[in-house]
Amino acid sequence: KNEVEQSPQNLTAQEGEFITINCSYSVGISALHWLQQHPGGGIVSLFMLSSGKKKHGRLIATINIQEKHSSLHITASHPRDSAVYICAVGSFNSGGSNYKLTFGKGTLLTVNP
Amino acid sequence: EAGVTQFPSHSVIEKGQTVTLRCDPISGHDNLYWYRRVMGKEIKFLLHFVKESKQDESGMPNNRFLAERTGGTYSTLKVQPAELEDSGVYFCASRGGCRNTEAFFGQGTRLTVV
Repeated sequence: KNEVEQSPQNLTAQEGEFITINCSYSVGISALHWLQQHPGGGIVSLFMLSSGKKKHGRLIATINIQEKHSSLHITASHPRDSAVYICAVGSFNSGGSNYKLTFGKGTLLTVNP
Repeated sequence: EAGVTQFPSHSVIEKGQTVTLRCDPISGHDNLYWYRRVMGKEIKFLLHFVKESKQDESGMPNNRFLAERTGGTYSTLKVQPAELEDSGVYFCASRGGCRNTEAFFGQGTRLTVV
Protein backbone atom coordinates (compact mmCIF):
# COMPACT_ATOMS: atom_id res chain seq x y z
CA LYS A 1 0.00 0.00 0.00
CA ASN A 2 1.40 3.36 -1.01
CA GLU A 3 2.08 5.83 1.78
CA VAL A 4 0.06 8.43 -0.12
CA GLU A 5 -3.27 7.43 -1.61
CA GLN A 6 -5.27 9.65 -3.92
CA SER A 7 -8.83 9.28 -5.11
CA PRO A 8 -10.25 9.19 -7.60
CA GLN A 9 -7.57 8.16 -10.09
CA ASN A 10 -9.58 9.59 -12.96
CA LEU A 11 -12.26 12.23 -12.87
CA THR A 12 -14.36 13.64 -15.69
CA ALA A 13 -16.52 16.68 -15.08
CA GLN A 14 -18.61 19.17 -16.98
CA GLU A 15 -17.55 22.78 -17.07
CA GLY A 16 -18.83 24.61 -14.03
CA GLU A 17 -18.94 21.61 -11.72
CA PHE A 18 -17.41 21.54 -8.25
CA ILE A 19 -14.46 19.16 -8.09
CA THR A 20 -13.01 17.37 -5.09
CA ILE A 21 -9.83 15.30 -5.09
CA ASN A 22 -8.86 13.45 -1.95
CA CYS A 23 -5.51 12.49 -0.49
CA SER A 24 -4.84 10.22 2.48
CA TYR A 25 -1.43 9.52 3.91
CA SER A 26 -0.05 7.16 6.49
CA VAL A 27 3.17 8.85 7.60
CA GLY A 28 4.02 11.82 9.77
CA ILE A 29 4.48 14.96 7.74
CA SER A 30 5.86 18.45 7.94
CA ALA A 31 3.84 19.73 5.00
CA LEU A 32 1.49 18.51 2.31
CA HIS A 33 1.82 19.71 -1.26
CA TRP A 34 -0.73 19.83 -4.04
CA LEU A 35 0.89 19.88 -7.47
CA GLN A 36 -0.48 20.27 -10.99
CA GLN A 37 0.87 18.86 -14.23
CA HIS A 38 -0.69 19.76 -17.56
CA PRO A 39 -0.24 17.29 -20.43
CA GLY A 40 3.34 17.54 -21.64
CA GLY A 41 4.08 20.21 -19.07
CA GLY A 42 6.12 20.51 -15.95
CA ILE A 43 4.99 20.34 -12.38
CA VAL A 44 3.58 23.46 -10.76
CA SER A 45 3.12 23.80 -7.04
CA LEU A 46 -0.43 24.85 -6.18
CA PHE A 47 -0.43 24.70 -2.40
CA MET A 48 1.77 23.81 0.49
CA LEU A 49 -0.03 23.45 3.79
CA SER A 50 0.52 21.98 7.21
CA SER A 51 -2.82 22.86 8.81
CA GLY A 52 -6.22 24.31 8.09
CA LYS A 53 -7.20 25.66 4.72
CA LYS A 54 -5.76 27.72 1.89
CA LYS A 55 -7.51 29.38 -1.02
CA HIS A 56 -6.13 30.66 -4.30
CA GLY A 57 -8.63 31.81 -6.86
CA ARG A 58 -10.98 28.93 -7.59
CA LEU A 59 -8.77 26.43 -5.79
CA ILE A 60 -9.14 25.48 -2.15
CA ALA A 61 -6.99 23.03 -0.22
CA THR A 62 -7.78 21.69 3.21
CA ILE A 63 -5.93 19.37 5.54
CA ASN A 64 -6.96 17.45 8.64
CA ILE A 65 -3.79 16.44 10.46
CA GLN A 66 -5.56 14.16 12.94
CA GLU A 67 -7.27 12.21 10.18
CA LYS A 68 -4.22 12.40 7.86
CA HIS A 69 -6.38 13.57 5.03
CA SER A 70 -6.37 16.46 2.59
CA SER A 71 -8.73 17.60 -0.11
CA LEU A 72 -8.28 19.81 -3.14
CA HIS A 73 -11.41 21.54 -4.36
CA ILE A 74 -11.94 23.36 -7.63
CA THR A 75 -14.98 25.60 -7.86
CA ALA A 76 -16.60 26.48 -11.19
CA SER A 77 -14.32 24.09 -13.07
CA HIS A 78 -13.09 25.03 -16.53
CA PRO A 79 -11.57 22.98 -19.35
CA ARG A 80 -8.22 24.66 -18.69
CA ASP A 81 -8.25 22.95 -15.27
CA SER A 82 -7.77 19.63 -17.07
CA ALA A 83 -4.50 18.24 -15.75
CA VAL A 84 -3.02 15.68 -13.41
CA TYR A 85 -3.25 16.75 -9.76
CA ILE A 86 -0.68 15.22 -7.47
CA CYS A 87 -0.62 15.07 -3.71
CA ALA A 88 2.78 14.86 -2.06
CA VAL A 89 3.68 14.71 1.60
CA GLY A 90 6.94 16.10 2.88
CA SER A 91 8.78 15.13 6.01
CA PHE A 92 12.14 15.83 7.58
CA ASN A 93 14.35 13.05 8.85
CA SER A 94 15.08 12.83 12.57
CA GLY A 95 18.14 15.05 12.24
CA GLY A 96 16.23 17.67 10.27
CA SER A 97 18.80 17.59 7.51
CA ASN A 98 16.80 15.84 4.84
CA TYR A 99 13.35 16.84 3.58
CA LYS A 100 11.81 14.20 1.36
CA LEU A 101 8.61 14.20 -0.68
CA THR A 102 6.46 11.10 -1.14
CA PHE A 103 3.99 11.30 -3.98
CA GLY A 104 0.56 9.94 -4.71
CA LYS A 105 -0.16 8.48 -8.13
CA GLY A 106 -2.08 11.54 -9.19
CA THR A 107 -5.62 12.23 -10.32
CA LEU A 108 -6.28 12.83 -13.99
CA LEU A 109 -8.96 15.49 -14.25
CA THR A 110 -10.75 16.14 -17.51
CA VAL A 111 -13.20 19.02 -17.65
CA ASN A 112 -15.42 19.01 -20.70
CA PRO A 113 -16.94 22.20 -22.12
CA GLU B 1 13.80 35.18 -11.22
CA ALA B 2 14.35 32.08 -13.36
CA GLY B 3 12.75 28.90 -12.13
CA VAL B 4 14.16 25.41 -12.22
CA THR B 5 15.20 24.56 -15.76
CA GLN B 6 15.91 21.16 -17.24
CA PHE B 7 17.59 20.11 -20.46
CA PRO B 8 16.68 18.51 -22.74
CA SER B 9 12.90 18.48 -22.60
CA HIS B 10 12.76 15.26 -24.59
CA SER B 11 15.31 12.59 -25.41
CA VAL B 12 14.92 9.45 -27.46
CA ILE B 13 17.88 7.08 -27.37
CA GLU B 14 18.58 3.48 -28.21
CA LYS B 15 19.13 0.85 -25.61
CA GLY B 16 22.78 0.78 -24.62
CA GLN B 17 23.42 4.44 -25.35
CA THR B 18 24.28 7.10 -22.82
CA VAL B 19 22.15 10.09 -21.93
CA THR B 20 22.91 13.02 -19.67
CA LEU B 21 20.15 15.11 -18.19
CA ARG B 22 20.79 18.52 -16.73
CA CYS B 23 19.04 20.53 -14.05
CA ASP B 24 19.65 24.16 -13.19
CA PRO B 25 18.05 24.92 -9.83
CA ILE B 26 16.88 28.29 -8.63
CA SER B 27 19.93 30.37 -7.84
CA GLY B 28 20.92 30.09 -4.21
CA HIS B 29 18.95 26.91 -3.53
CA ASP B 30 21.21 24.48 -1.71
CA ASN B 31 18.83 21.54 -1.99
CA LEU B 32 18.38 19.80 -5.32
CA TYR B 33 16.31 16.70 -5.90
CA TRP B 34 15.94 14.28 -8.77
CA TYR B 35 12.70 12.35 -9.23
CA ARG B 36 11.42 9.97 -11.85
CA ARG B 37 7.94 9.10 -13.03
CA VAL B 38 7.51 5.85 -14.91
CA MET B 39 4.26 5.57 -16.86
CA GLY B 40 1.35 4.55 -14.66
CA LYS B 41 3.32 4.87 -11.46
CA GLU B 42 3.77 7.58 -8.88
CA ILE B 43 6.72 9.94 -8.92
CA LYS B 44 9.65 8.33 -7.12
CA PHE B 45 12.56 9.95 -5.34
CA LEU B 46 16.00 9.32 -6.82
CA LEU B 47 18.42 11.44 -4.86
CA HIS B 48 18.99 14.65 -2.94
CA PHE B 49 21.93 17.02 -3.06
CA VAL B 50 22.78 19.59 -0.43
CA LYS B 51 25.11 21.91 -2.26
CA GLU B 52 27.59 19.58 -3.95
CA SER B 53 27.15 16.68 -1.52
CA LYS B 54 24.83 13.72 -1.98
CA GLN B 55 22.62 13.84 1.10
CA ASP B 56 20.50 10.84 0.15
CA GLU B 57 20.84 8.62 -2.91
CA SER B 58 18.70 5.78 -1.65
CA GLY B 59 16.32 6.05 -4.60
CA MET B 60 18.90 5.54 -7.34
CA PRO B 61 17.84 2.38 -9.20
CA ASN B 62 21.31 0.93 -9.88
CA ASN B 63 24.87 1.82 -10.77
CA ARG B 64 23.94 2.75 -14.31
CA PHE B 65 22.74 6.04 -12.89
CA LEU B 66 25.30 8.68 -11.89
CA ALA B 67 24.39 12.10 -10.54
CA GLU B 68 26.77 14.96 -9.99
CA ARG B 69 26.52 18.52 -8.79
CA THR B 70 29.93 20.03 -9.21
CA GLY B 71 30.31 23.36 -7.45
CA GLY B 72 26.87 23.07 -5.92
CA THR B 73 25.14 24.75 -8.84
CA TYR B 74 23.63 22.74 -11.69
CA SER B 75 23.33 18.98 -11.57
CA THR B 76 23.61 16.26 -14.16
CA LEU B 77 22.10 12.80 -14.17
CA LYS B 78 23.79 10.34 -16.50
CA VAL B 79 22.32 7.02 -17.50
CA GLN B 80 24.89 4.63 -18.95
CA PRO B 81 24.06 2.29 -20.56
CA ALA B 82 20.37 3.04 -20.88
CA GLU B 83 17.83 0.24 -20.66
CA LEU B 84 14.22 0.12 -21.78
CA GLU B 85 12.92 0.36 -18.22
CA ASP B 86 14.69 3.68 -17.75
CA SER B 87 12.05 5.37 -19.88
CA GLY B 88 10.02 7.93 -18.00
CA VAL B 89 9.92 11.57 -17.04
CA TYR B 90 12.78 12.81 -14.91
CA PHE B 91 11.97 15.78 -12.73
CA CYS B 92 14.29 18.03 -10.85
CA ALA B 93 13.27 20.20 -7.92
CA SER B 94 15.10 22.70 -5.78
CA ARG B 95 14.47 24.00 -2.30
CA GLY B 96 15.95 26.84 -0.35
CA GLY B 97 17.11 26.88 3.28
CA CYS B 98 17.26 23.88 5.56
CA ARG B 99 13.82 24.21 7.19
CA ASN B 100 12.09 25.70 4.16
CA THR B 101 9.62 23.15 2.82
CA GLU B 102 8.67 24.90 -0.43
CA ALA B 103 9.93 23.00 -3.46
CA PHE B 104 10.08 24.28 -7.03
CA PHE B 105 9.93 21.84 -9.91
CA GLY B 106 11.37 21.88 -13.39
CA GLN B 107 9.52 21.02 -16.57
CA GLY B 108 10.96 17.54 -16.60
CA THR B 109 12.86 15.56 -19.21
CA ARG B 110 10.91 12.88 -21.02
CA LEU B 111 13.32 10.03 -21.71
CA THR B 112 12.37 7.30 -24.14
CA VAL B 113 14.69 4.34 -24.55
CA VAL B 114 13.93 2.26 -27.64
